Amino acid sequence: GAVVSQHPSWVICKSGTSVKIECRSLDFQATTMFWYRQFPKQSLMLMATSNEGSKATYEQGVEKDKFLINHASLTLSTLTVTSAHPEDSSFYICSAPGGFGTSGRGYEQFFGPGTRLTVL
Amino acid sequence: AQSVTQLDSQVPVFEEAPVELRCNYSSSVSVYLFWYVQYPNQGLQLLLKYLSGSTLVKGINGFEAEFNKSQTSFHLRKPSVHISDTAEYFCAVSGVDDMRFGAGTRLTVKP
Repeated sequence: GAVVSQHPSWVICKSGTSVKIECRSLDFQATTMFWYRQFPKQSLMLMATSNEGSKATYEQGVEKDKFLINHASLTLSTLTVTSAHPEDSSFYICSAPGGFGTSGRGYEQFFGPGTRLTVL
Repeated sequence: AQSVTQLDSQVPVFEEAPVELRCNYSSSVSVYLFWYVQYPNQGLQLLLKYLSGSTLVKGINGFEAEFNKSQTSFHLRKPSVHISDTAEYFCAVSGVDDMRFGAGTRLTVKP
């Protein structure tokens, strides 16, 4: 089946630094990838849709200048948390759709293992 | 736009007892429904999915779910749970180009 990896699996950084998280589709190409954020004991919240070769689409309330997304190739999307602060500490998960159906609608998502970010 | 409601935030159950985790969805178009399980500090693992066809869907680890269009539900069931089933379970609906999740149900299996 389709495999999505994330790197790093966890990261601890000081407040004010920037952190880059990578999301890779290992055995398939993904023109679209999704970034989610999950707070403890809560559900996944869609942050943004990453589009290969074009700008990302951000959900309402997500700061695009804070969470920079780059989708430079068909297998790699990166999320950079700029000037991180303790409130940015969270579990970040990416996913890539495995399209089905000729209509192009309704995509099963393949999820990465997640990245635990802790900002001190 | 589609949305998902998981009716129980926590479900405690004794080992070997049956369990049902409830999920209702809303959508103006045809949807595809999923159940995922998440163990602590891990990503999501697909339990099962409904795309089309038979409304009773069987998944991994002995779980199954039934799609009920008239009641807009997709409840997850297991006839006999194990301690190892303790985890967070998410119902999700996929529509046009994205996926939305319910708030999650914490299943705790007690010995």
